[in-house]
Amino acid sequence: QKEVEQNSGPLSVPEGAIASLNCTYSDRGSQSFFWYRQYSGKSPELIMFIYSNGDKEDGRFTAQLNKASQYVSLLIRDSQPSDSATYLCAVSSEEGGNKLVFGAGTILRVKS
Amino acid sequence: DVKVTQSSRYLVKRTGEKVFLECVQDMDHENMFWYRQDPGLGLRLIYFSYDVKMKEKGDIPEGYSVSREKKERFSLILESASTNQTSMYLCASSLGAGGDTQYFGPGTRLTVL
Repeated sequence: QKEVEQNSGPLSVPEGAIASLNCTYSDRGSQSFFWYRQYSGKSPELIMFIYSNGDKEDGRFTAQLNKASQYVSLLIRDSQPSDSATYLCAVSSEEGGNKLVFGAGTILRVKS
Repeated sequence: DVKVTQSSRYLVKRTGEKVFLECVQDMDHENMFWYRQDPGLGLRLIYFSYDVKMKEKGDIPEGYSVSREKKERFSLILESASTNQTSMYLCASSLGAGGDTQYFGPGTRLTVL
């Protein structure tokens, strides 16, 4: 069973700080990596995807991938109370090709 | 914009009833997925489909079946609902192969009494 591990949190950060969310995965063959944000009672929405080792920036968000360490992270700069949500890490599965394996999510709380 | 819709936001059914959850996507996506989400357990894949009339079991298919007669529509069927199927059900779709981005519908919160 392929696994994606996330610290469940909650991770609490003050407004304006950098929030760092981490994810490890077990499938060395995984090629695609995604971060979703899910507000309470809502469905997941895509924040970013990353395919290559290194950093990818989009506004206040930066995704970091290290395939050798099987580690992907999401940094949120200048955190806002509206960033308070559950963040799901998802990793492509080589079984069946089209599937994603999701972590259980990290709860982020940004305090104003 | 990709749009994935689900037939109901909230549904209450009784034990033993047959339940149909419908999902429709409007972006001509090849792949469609059904998940359930429970606190502490994350998203668990029930079934997925990569083409019309094609289906594959996910991680927790027991007690469920699916139907995909048209490309845009993917139905989840609970043959005989049980209380342990009370959950949030999420439908998603993606364009192609290789772990492409999945887009989610709003979800159906099903309660089985």
